Amino acid sequence: SYELTQPPSVSVSPGQTASFTCSGDNLGHKSASWYQQKPGQSPVLVIYQNDNRPSGIPERFSGSSSGNTATLTISGTQAMDEAVYYCQAWDRSTAVFGGGTKLTVL
Amino acid sequence: EVQLVESGGGLVQPGGSLRLSCAASGFTFSSYWMNWVRQAPGKGLVWVSRIDIDGSSTTYADSVKGRFTISRDNAKNTLSLQMNSLRAEDTAVYYCARDGPAAGAMDVWGQGTAVTVSS
Repeated sequence: SYELTQPPSVSVSPGQTASFTCSGDNLGHKSASWYQQKPGQSPVLVIYQNDNRPSGIPERFSGSSSGNTATLTISGTQAMDEAVYYCQAWDRSTAVFGGGTKLTVL
Repeated sequence: EVQLVESGGGLVQPGGSLRLSCAASGFTFSSYWMNWVRQAPGKGLVWVSRIDIDGSSTTYADSVKGRFTISRDNAKNTLSLQMNSLRAEDTAVYYCARDGPAAGAMDVWGQGTAVTVSS
């Protein structure tokens, strides 16, 4: 079955850039989405189709994809961005989520 | 306001059944594919099932295939998940999520309903 791999944690200082990677076989030929989930809350879509932001998502969130890796970037990270970030893609009519990366803003 | 509200969770014994519901409001429910996604305590998100706009096409994760059934009632703006032969490993918060207009991205999520399978 298809798998998406994410590092378990990322730490940044406020104002710095946080990058999250998501690796999967031929992921660059799929459409990757990214979700933010804060403790006790439901997930929120922050990036869709690799590099598109839904309305209401701050411009500091951006995405890219190439080869086997999709990347979520938060520029000028704020304390409110502390959360777990999940990537997701579809493979043969099945949605697959990565294991999630916990962002700590030091 | 676009909203999804799940209900029907609770405590059930192994081997038992439960039916979850998701009430949609604030958008044209019949125009969107819908999903169920679950999250075990302290764990990540796991997709469970998806249904097309009129219920004619459904897909399931291997872990629930043959035990869970997704359905929808467009007249009542309601998505359902019938869960049979429940196992301890089905214990999770279950979210319904809307397939957004962009290539399978889930753009609206409910607050979730908790299912506990235990004797």
